[in-house]
Amino acid sequence: DSGVTQTPKHLITATGQRVTLRCSPRSGDLSVYWYQQSLDQGLQFLIQYYNGEERAKGNILERFSAQQFPDLHSELNLSSLELGDSALYFCASSPRTGGGGELFFGEGSRLTVL
Amino acid sequence: AQKITQTQPGMFVQEKEAVTLDCTYDTSDQSYGLFWYKQPSSGEMIFLIYQGSYDEQNATEGRYSLNFQKARKSANLVISASQLGDSAMYFCAMREVYGGATNKLIFGTGTLLAVQP
Repeated sequence: DSGVTQTPKHLITATGQRVTLRCSPRSGDLSVYWYQQSLDQGLQFLIQYYNGEERAKGNILERFSAQQFPDLHSELNLSSLELGDSALYFCASSPRTGGGGELFFGEGSRLTVL
Repeated sequence: AQKITQTQPGMFVQEKEAVTLDCTYDTSDQSYGLFWYKQPSSGEMIFLIYQGSYDEQNATEGRYSLNFQKARKSANLVISASQLGDSAMYFCAMREVYGGATNKLIFGTGTLLAVQP
């Protein structure tokens, strides 16, 4: 158990809909990272927050947005969903914004768009 | 741009034998970190081992060791005495340490390892 909690574990929805994925980082970790894993794109970094502020941005679509709340949990919002958004979405946390240490991953949220 | 290359899409190994999973990387930075993660069929990402670019000794964690060859930009994972539970996807990843801005990792495409009894 990495200590990172993601909900929901599975989600099935239809094209055009909007979903919210939630992540609680390990106790004390200030940074949250979101990754998307799909068969064709592999593991892609989406976005990072550090103590409530956006710190790094990767291949995140404009239809997607994220935020980190004062209690350090984070949410990834996916809107106007398309079939290609079906993927495993990971949240990971680390204690600091830089300088060392591995990322601790949650078990992922598997999104299926029909 | 940083890049991680894993050229072996899949590998077989006999139980109790050692196996090497290949990883090469490309970066212009002098300071970076290299990681290996395991992803079993259940889906979670499990951290295995870390090597810093300035570490002179190869990293080891139990049955896992990282064969770090800096001049060749390779960071191969060696699993000794393979077990059936080692069957999983293995990802090599790199972090660039640039001014403490982020710990984000760039991942390779992975190698699917199957351990045969």
